[in-house]
This record gives sequence, C-alpha cells and structure tokens, in this order.
Amino acid sequence: EVQLVQSGAEVKRPGSTVRISCKVSGYIFIDYYMHWVRQAPGKGLEWLGFIDPEDGKTIYAEKFQGRVTVTADTSTDTAYMHLSSLTSEDTAVYYCATSRGHFDNWGQGTLVTVSS
Amino acid sequence: EIVLTQSPGTLSLSPGERATLSCKASQSITSRSFAWYQQKPGQAPRVLIYAAFTRATGIPDRFSGSGSGTDFTLTITRLEPEDFAVYFCQQYDNSPFTFGPGTRVEIK
Repeated sequence: EVQLVQSGAEVKRPGSTVRISCKVSGYIFIDYYMHWVRQAPGKGLEWLGFIDPEDGKTIYAEKFQGRVTVTADTSTDTAYMHLSSLTSEDTAVYYCATSRGHFDNWGQGTLVTVSS
Repeated sequence: EIVLTQSPGTLSLSPGERATLSCKASQSITSRSFAWYQQKPGQAPRVLIYAAFTRATGIPDRFSGSGSGTDFTLTITRLEPEDFAVYFCQQYDNSPFTFGPGTRVEIK
C-alpha cells in the first residue's frame, strides 16, 4: 500500500521559513515525481512545484520562485518542501502528492499557520 | 498559465439524481493531461478521473469523464450520499499545473 506521511502542524512567525517532510512507503521512491500543493482555509488547490527524485530536477510555479525549495532524500525515501519569507497569506494546508501525470497518491496534509 | 473555470460553483441535488459538472480551460489542453478530483472536509483530494475519461482504481462506474480541447465534463449518474463533496478539475499539460476553483455538490 502506497503511503505518504507528512510532518505535523507548524506555527510560524512572519518572515520565517517552514520545512515540511513527506515520508513515502509502498513504492519505489524514484519512480514517481513528488509534487507540493497547498490549500488556504476554505479555498482551492494551488500547485507550488515538483521534484524528480531520480535526478533531483525541480520545477516551481513562477509565483513561488525564489521562496520555495523542494528536495528529495533517496536514502530515507523522504521529500521536503521549504517555504521562506512567510506571510499570513501562506497560512494553508500543504500536501505532497505523487505523480507520473495525474496526482494519484496524496499525503494527509500539514497545516501551516503564519501568525505574529 | 492555463486558467480553469468550473461551473456551477454549487450544485444542489438529491441522492439518486444526476450531476453534471463543467470545467473550461483558457487554452486547449491535451486530453491525456486532464483530471478530476474529489475532496471531502478534512481530507486530501483523491483522483477520480485522469486522462480526461479514465477512472482511477476503485472509482465506481457512476463517475465518468468526457470532453476535449477546452471543455471537459464530469458526470455522476446517480448520486450516492458519499458523493456530496467538492470536485476540482486539473490540467497537468503545462507548468504551472493548475486547478479549477471547485464545484461543491451539496444535498438539496
């Protein structure tokens, strides 16, 4: 069974950086791209970017260029998403999701609250 | 950026009725790069349909997808109580991979 288990909820100050992890099991980590998607309270889904764990290549949404970094540790089958210079508008649930096209497996989500 | 527009915003129906959800893209999308997701409160989205009309594993056949180019449709032939949720369309043809704003299917 494919499982993506994300790290726990975070409360961050404006201007700080958050790191979220996504530990996978049940499949070969390098066989799927890993995407990051967020959802602000009561809002829709917003794609941040993805990584190919096999070669570490990343593509980010232009909106988040310079603020988001996605990495993959193939020794622990874990993906990470760092988002810096946080503001209140970054308050959201962040999801990791695997794909070879559509997003077929999702993590449970990590709530990030940005508040002073 | 490809913008996806979903209609209606909210669909109020009774169990057993048919639901028809629409998603329109701002430019043509390759059919193999279009999907529908269902999301229930407090849960992650789950894929229902990918490549425009292929049901994901375990998805009942009351769900079907159709369309091409800029116009796509999700049809639920007979609504079951567990189908009342929010539905999102998505294109993964071009980066950024965008989602529509969602259609809420609520119990009438």
